[in-house]
Amino acid sequence: GAVVSQHPSWVICKSGTSVKIECRSLDFQATTMFWYRQFPKQSLMLMATSNEGSKATYEQGVEKDKFLINHASLTLSTLTVTSAHPEDSSFYICSARSGSEVELFFGEGSRLTVL
Amino acid sequence: GQNIDQPTEMTATEGAIVQINCTYQTSGFNGLFWYQQHAGEAPTFLSYNVLDGLEEKGRFSSFLSRSKGYSYLLLKELQMKDSASYLCAVRDSNYQLIWGAGTKLIIKP
Repeated sequence: GAVVSQHPSWVICKSGTSVKIECRSLDFQATTMFWYRQFPKQSLMLMATSNEGSKATYEQGVEKDKFLINHASLTLSTLTVTSAHPEDSSFYICSARSGSEVELFFGEGSRLTVL
Repeated sequence: GQNIDQPTEMTATEGAIVQINCTYQTSGFNGLFWYQQHAGEAPTFLSYNVLDGLEEKGRFSSFLSRSKGYSYLLLKELQMKDSASYLCAVRDSNYQLIWGAGTKLIIKP
């Protein structure tokens, strides 16, 4: 199947700093990418949907100025957590879809710990 | 509101069969997905149902009844590596994926 690579896998940062997470589709053009957050023992929570070349659509309750999403190319989307705080510590996962394809392909996830 | 229900946890024995149920109430229906997620890892796709009936893929099968808002994932010949969380997700009329909380499956020798 298609491959989505997410980087970094683990990141620890100090409170107040910003962290960028990259999501790349390695062998297909990801017209749509999704960013999720998952707290321990909970399901995936969709944060935002981004289509290449367009502004991301954020879910209710997700601060777009805090979670900056850029989807500038068909193979790369980035999520920047600005001025991170301990409550932002979570598992962040991206997924990608090509065109009208049904299947979503997930990145490996990035575990963020804010001290 | 939209809701996906699945059991929190199930336990089964290696070599046996287990059925994980999922019921849903969503604004429209455009397909139901099952994903497997090992602890600390991202989900991996298992199956997709959009029409009623059973879809078989190796040791895994998934069933859908749209009239009942019900699906199940059937896992046969269980192996220890099948210990994971199984997520049910439904795509609604806006093509948004609504995720269940997941069922943690524990396989015992």
